[in-house]
Amino acid sequence: DTAVSQTPKYLVTQMGNDKSIKCEQNLGHDTMYWYKQDSKKFLKIMFSYNNKELIINETVPNRFSPKSPDKAHLNLHINSLELGDSAVYFCASSQGSPTSGDTQYFGPGTRLTVL
Amino acid sequence: AQSVAQPEDQVNVAEGNPLTVKCTYSVSGNPYLFWYVQYPNRGLQFLLKYITGDNLVKGSYGFEAEFNKSQTSFHLKKPSALVSDSALYFCAVRPHTGGFKTIFGAGTRLFVKA
Repeated sequence: DTAVSQTPKYLVTQMGNDKSIKCEQNLGHDTMYWYKQDSKKFLKIMFSYNNKELIINETVPNRFSPKSPDKAHLNLHINSLELGDSAVYFCASSQGSPTSGDTQYFGPGTRLTVL
Repeated sequence: AQSVAQPEDQVNVAEGNPLTVKCTYSVSGNPYLFWYVQYPNRGLQFLLKYITGDNLVKGSYGFEAEFNKSQTSFHLKKPSALVSDSALYFCAVRPHTGGFKTIFGAGTRLFVKA
């Protein structure tokens, strides 16, 4: 069984469209994350939820909106897609204790290409 | 500002030779330190972490890392490199305070030549 899964794996779309990426974890973790990896492989945190509560919200355009329907799912919706949104988006999860060095488990990534 | 530096974009090593991938950090207090590896078209995989205790940490696939508090470094090492170790390696730091945010370095690409 895949621990952290993302759908779709590839997403090709036109500028101005709205799209969603879904993430699910079956590890029983309390915390989930969205990261963006650009073409230079730099990894940047976007959002994090702990027990369905938003706890990290980095400087991200408000076209990006995360939603966590339950602890096992964290979806990312992107409105009015722009060329600069093209990247690989990774979902991750961790046990979620803020006082421990908990390990993050990453999904396989979603490669978004905006044309 | 809190940051993680991986000074080498790329490290080249011959198979069988020892390898070192460098990482230094700048955070307040004592952080948790991590190494992750990313193979092509894959997500990041956890290699090892330093929480507390022994400064030498052993991890997956024969990798180890040494925490040096005075130099604020956490270099990744392996005594004998394999071609299959070729990948992108990320150092990451999580401060003890400040919640759940983990700061990742820019990554170092390791090439192991047969």
